[in-house]
Amino acid sequence: EAGVAQSPRYKIIEKRQSVAFWCNPISGHATLYWYQQILGQGPKLLIQFQNNGVVDDSQLPKDRFSAERLKGVDSTLKIQPAKLEDSAVYLCASSTESGTSVTDTQYFGPGTRLTVL
Amino acid sequence: GENVEQHPSTLSVQEGDSAVIKCTYSDSASNYFPWYKQELGKRPQLIIDIRSNVGEKKDQRIAVTLNKTAKHFSLHITETQPEDSAVYFCAASTEDYGQNFVFGPGTRLSVLP
Repeated sequence: EAGVAQSPRYKIIEKRQSVAFWCNPISGHATLYWYQQILGQGPKLLIQFQNNGVVDDSQLPKDRFSAERLKGVDSTLKIQPAKLEDSAVYLCASSTESGTSVTDTQYFGPGTRLTVL
Repeated sequence: GENVEQHPSTLSVQEGDSAVIKCTYSDSASNYFPWYKQELGKRPQLIIDIRSNVGEKKDQRIAVTLNKTAKHFSLHITETQPEDSAVYFCAASTEDYGQNFVFGPGTRLSVLP
């Protein structure tokens, strides 16, 4: 089974520039998550999709961050404009949650390491 | 919302000894508790998880215990090996449609040869 794919793996930009990250979840996984992991901290959930709908985006800084999953498969996360404090690893994860009460395991992608100068 | 604390933040043990990492959570509705291992520069990998209807779960050298009354759960690694060295994260989640994982801050485990 192929894992969660993410690109790019590394990105360096200057503050106030824009950046976009791409995620392809495991085939058949209905739920997709974007996390921000700042160095030395645990992952923080930014947004959760169930198919192409947003389930939770309460911790997404909506003034600069946006995410979409138009066809319920791939997803993109965008930052516009970037700030120095956005430097982090952005992790995508997926799970098979299908809307039942069963909590399913999340599988993480390799992450995109963003450096904002 | 849920708040997950994790202790200790760093832990050094001799190879062959046991390691214990403890997490506490605040939301009594949380009932799914996974543990992730993250090696330097790599993605978090699930190593074991436990649901609220179970008090303990074991998988070879790894075990997790859950005390729902006290709202804490612990990871136990026995017969530690150098390859166990990594950062370990606990997480808590509610078992409902809008599951929302909240991770602890992590524990850096070093197994000394």
